[in-house]
Amino acid sequence: SQTIHQWPATLVQPVGSPLSLECTVEGTSNPNLYWYRQAAGRGLQLLFYSVGIGQISSEVPQNLSASRPQDRQFILSSKKLLLSDSGFYLCAWSVLRGTLLFFGSGTQLSVL
Amino acid sequence: DAKTTQPNSMESNEEEPVHLPCNHSTISGTDYIHWYRQLPSQGPEYVIHGLTSNVNNRMASLAIAEDRKSSTLILHRATLRDAAVYYCILRTNTNAGKSTFGDGTTLTVKP
Repeated sequence: SQTIHQWPATLVQPVGSPLSLECTVEGTSNPNLYWYRQAAGRGLQLLFYSVGIGQISSEVPQNLSASRPQDRQFILSSKKLLLSDSGFYLCAWSVLRGTLLFFGSGTQLSVL
Repeated sequence: DAKTTQPNSMESNEEEPVHLPCNHSTISGTDYIHWYRQLPSQGPEYVIHGLTSNVNNRMASLAIAEDRKSSTLILHRATLRDAAVYYCILRTNTNAGKSTFGDGTTLTVKP
């Protein structure tokens, strides 16, 4: 069966520090991968999606970047965090050309 | 991406049915209607989806209007564990399956 792992669960970082959040999917090949961010009490905002290794599309201009170094690995990064980067970050995957979305458990990021 | 519109909040009594509406007037022919729900501090989980016909599964039922411009998620007997934020989104298997999530409907279940 397919599983998605996302870590860490919580993270507190100072302003100006770097960020690296990792997401891995098991049990499937060539998935579509997504990074979402959720502000408190709000819906999910799509940040990045990827349809293959090295293929990254950005939805919203921001202080973040994403990379997909391996088929089932998706990384969200920042060189210097801003206060506005705080939020709940969710990784998700779907089967290529499929419609069901499967989410990770999320990372609560607090930038202080 | 086609957008969906949902009420901000709804209340229900335990053991009673709940009908959660969603409007998607700009839906295209390739869009599937999906419902997810999210508990606090967790990732959303899939509830149900459909294209044109009504759908039933162990969690809920999905009623889709004939013109597909609206749909209703039906929880037949609400329990306290059904209290969550429910999202109605449209998904297609083209264009990388990008989806826009609105703010969803916060369902409160009263004992």
